[in-house]
Amino acid sequence: NAGVTQTPKFQVLKTGQSMTLQCAQDMNHEYMSWYRQDPGMGLRLIHYSVGAGITDQGEVPNGYNVSRSTTEDFPLRLLSAAPSQTSVYFCASSRRLIANTGELFFGEGSRLTVL
Amino acid sequence: GQQLNQSPQSMFIQEGEDVSMNCTSSSIFNTWLWYKQDPGEGPVLLIALYKAGELTSNGRLTAQFGITRKDSFLNISASIPSDVGIYFCAGRKRDDKIIFGKGTRLHILP
Repeated sequence: NAGVTQTPKFQVLKTGQSMTLQCAQDMNHEYMSWYRQDPGMGLRLIHYSVGAGITDQGEVPNGYNVSRSTTEDFPLRLLSAAPSQTSVYFCASSRRLIANTGELFFGEGSRLTVL
Repeated sequence: GQQLNQSPQSMFIQEGEDVSMNCTSSSIFNTWLWYKQDPGEGPVLLIALYKAGELTSNGRLTAQFGITRKDSFLNISASIPSDVGIYFCAGRKRDDKIIFGKGTRLHILP
């Protein structure tokens, strides 16, 4: 069972570079989301999607883009990396609220350092 | 900014003691969730609550969905060393968005 797969696990970027964090799930989940985790700040929602072709902003969307062309994939793009984007990023998926379940399935995380 | 206020931020307890933590918000949530995160790993679901007033147990863990739908608490009874970690509350809104509290870091003193 693959579940939620995130790549890469580690990445070092220079300020101004761009990159894409990949996320794929094989559970046919409609809902997918990206969080960043910083010490003392918990998990903050960056962007989320409730289905293919639909995306919406979370709590901290600035500097990040997403797209959802398929149910399985939800990539997160950093357009011009800044040191403030140094963080651990988690992708997570679940069924929708109407399925009466709230469980989020998390990927293993991607640790990003911006120099 | 974050809409969930989780407290306490950290706790230092003796093994065997009971633990209580809570989350409050000015917003209404349709689902309350409690997760635990161990170092270097993603959060793992402990308890999910779907109805206002619901009280649910999972072993030594008990959680409740507040009547106003704006709060929830988690209790851990008779703590053991493997309970150490960060506990997060999370709320799911009507638009499916799930947001997290800042976490409660649990330490158990030897």
